[in-house]
Amino acid sequence: NAGVMQNPRHLVRRRGQEARLRCSPMKGHSHVYWYRQLPEEGLKFMVYLQKENIIDESGMPKERFSAEFPKEGPSILRIQQVVRGDSAAYFCASSPWTGNTEAFFGQGTRLTVV
Amino acid sequence: AQKVTQAQTEISVVEKEDVTLDCVYETRDTTYYLFWYKQPPSGELVFLIRRNSFDEQNEISGRYSWNFQKSTSSFNFTITASQVVDSAVYFCALRDDLALGGANSKLTFGKGITLSVRP
Repeated sequence: NAGVMQNPRHLVRRRGQEARLRCSPMKGHSHVYWYRQLPEEGLKFMVYLQKENIIDESGMPKERFSAEFPKEGPSILRIQQVVRGDSAAYFCASSPWTGNTEAFFGQGTRLTVV
Repeated sequence: AQKVTQAQTEISVVEKEDVTLDCVYETRDTTYYLFWYKQPPSGELVFLIRRNSFDEQNEISGRYSWNFQKSTSSFNFTITASQVVDSAVYFCALRDDLALGGANSKLTFGKGITLSVRP
């Protein structure tokens, strides 16, 4: 059973470009969470999605950031018109529809904006 | 609001020393889960332990042990006989279980503790 897969592992974008980060949850997992880790900081929750639904986006910046988890395919975190401050590690976690389970994390995507 | 405080930012020890990483949390919920994760230099997050709020038994796993004290809202992590491979950033995290009708919910992380183990 493959783990949570994130790609790319490293992404370099110039200011103003778009960044697309992909997350394929573990098989059988229907819940996806995105977190951002700024340099020398802990992880901060961004958004929680189930298939085709955004459940909690309280941690998402109001502008330029969006997320989706379509019926088929991976979850996508999209950052439009990236700025230097978006440089961070973005982690995805998935979990099944049962309680008492920890979220399983992907290896992260390290975004560098130059 | 939930909060996790890891007051220690950096700890440096010599191999074979014991080291304790502190974690203090705040929550208004009676049902919650506490976690520890390890982030080695390679950057991935490695799950270490989950503990629910109703289980205050201490846990030992090899060189790792955890002390959950509900009275002081602490969930401390001790590494016995530390090794160089233990060098990493360690995160404590909290998840309440009442949000969304009991389904899985988001984690609140502390800022992490950088542990350096010198040979």
